[in-house]
Amino acid sequence: QSVLTQPPSVSGAPGQRVTISCTGSSSNIGAGYDVHWYQQLPGTAPKLLIYGNSNRPSGVPDRFSGSKSGTSASLAISGLQAEDEADYYCQSYDSSLSGSVFGTGTKVTVL
Amino acid sequence: EVQLVESGGGLVQPGGSLRLSCAASRFTFSTYWMSWVRQAPGKGLEWVANIKQDGDEKYYVDSVKGRFTISRDNAKNSLYLQMNSLRVEDTAAYYCARGQYESSGYYFDYWGQGTLVTVSS
Repeated sequence: QSVLTQPPSVSGAPGQRVTISCTGSSSNIGAGYDVHWYQQLPGTAPKLLIYGNSNRPSGVPDRFSGSKSGTSASLAISGLQAEDEADYYCQSYDSSLSGSVFGTGTKVTVL
Repeated sequence: EVQLVESGGGLVQPGGSLRLSCAASRFTFSTYWMSWVRQAPGKGLEWVANIKQDGDEKYYVDSVKGRFTISRDNAKNSLYLQMNSLRVEDTAAYYCARGQYESSGYYFDYWGQGTLVTVSS
């Protein structure tokens, strides 16, 4: 079972800004471990989108941004585009489980 | 660009075994942590196992401890996952992923395309 909680779905019109929350606890995000985000397009493997809370790998548009505060983190997508329709997952490390943990996943729909 | 290609998936009966392989290329395999992550059909991602560069440290999610073994052959640029005593709930796409280990945590910067494991009678 996932220990990081995300909303099941978010939606927005093209050009709008949407945010996805990722809520953890004192043994993962709240313990100071970084949060990372992945994008999974339909039928494909996940792809790293944000690492170290707010860093974008080369090639990821600056429309994607990440932040972290306390026991939570957020992914923001500004200027929403049709190609952003995908599932998004947050991920961190959990000290009580001694391993990586993923969020429950959020499906982004472009209206 | 980094390339990871999994193989070895298939249909297996409950209680059976399967060995997954991941062929890595276009990066210095021996200098990176490596991992397996799985995704059950229509479900989310679940970390399965990590292995350090020299193979001396290995970590597993509780649900596979004692049944799965992660290993690597740096001379062959290959990662493996030996899966024994398979259960129906192990049915999933299994992804090989390159790991980035830092003091503030661990993340997966490149992923393979996945190989499907189906456990069913």
